[in-house]
Amino acid sequence: NAGVTQTPKFQVLKTGQSMTLQCAQDMNHEYMSWYRQDPGMGLRLIHYSVGAGITDQGEVPNGYNVSRSTTEDFPLRLLSAAPSQTSVYFCASSYSTSGDIQYFGAGTRLSVL
Amino acid sequence: AQSVTQLGSHVSVSEGALVLLRCNYSSSVPPYLFWYVQYPNQGLQLLLKYTSAATLVKGINDFEAEFKKSETSFHLTKPSAHMSDAAEYFCAVRWNNQGGKLIFGQGTELSVKP
Repeated sequence: NAGVTQTPKFQVLKTGQSMTLQCAQDMNHEYMSWYRQDPGMGLRLIHYSVGAGITDQGEVPNGYNVSRSTTEDFPLRLLSAAPSQTSVYFCASSYSTSGDIQYFGAGTRLSVL
Repeated sequence: AQSVTQLGSHVSVSEGALVLLRCNYSSSVPPYLFWYVQYPNQGLQLLLKYTSAATLVKGINDFEAEFKKSETSFHLTKPSAHMSDAAEYFCAVRWNNQGGKLIFGQGTELSVKP
């Protein structure tokens, strides 16, 4: 099993550019989420989805957009990149929303100049 | 808002010494509790989880954690630190009434001295 796959691993953007971070899982998990990791702040939830066609905002959703057209994929879109969005982004998935383990991708390191 | 607090952003121990990483959560509603480890430039790996069975939970690499409802705590311990334990450790909590969101603490960086 590939698990949770994120692409790209690294990306440099200029302020104002848009891009999509890809996330795919092959475990038939209903729940998927996006986090950003910044030094001293742990992981903060950006958006999450409890199933295809259903998304909701997390703690820091501004400047990001998501959709969930299939169970497998959960892309994160940066609409107009800002330097404050320089971070490491992690996608995660789990079978359900209770005590199930969340599996994490390897991360995407994004720099916005 | 419900929250998770890890006391100490950096902890340093000598090789062979006890490791104690602290985690407290804010709500009296029993949650699901997790500890994750992150090695440099890698993603997060699950160490252990508590889901309302035994209060003492054993995880990988001899780590264990004890759920104490009265103290709303879930501290992580390891009897004897190894150099390979140097990493960042995250406590995370999930409540049923929060739509399945996993809330993370700020992280504790563990250093192990020879």
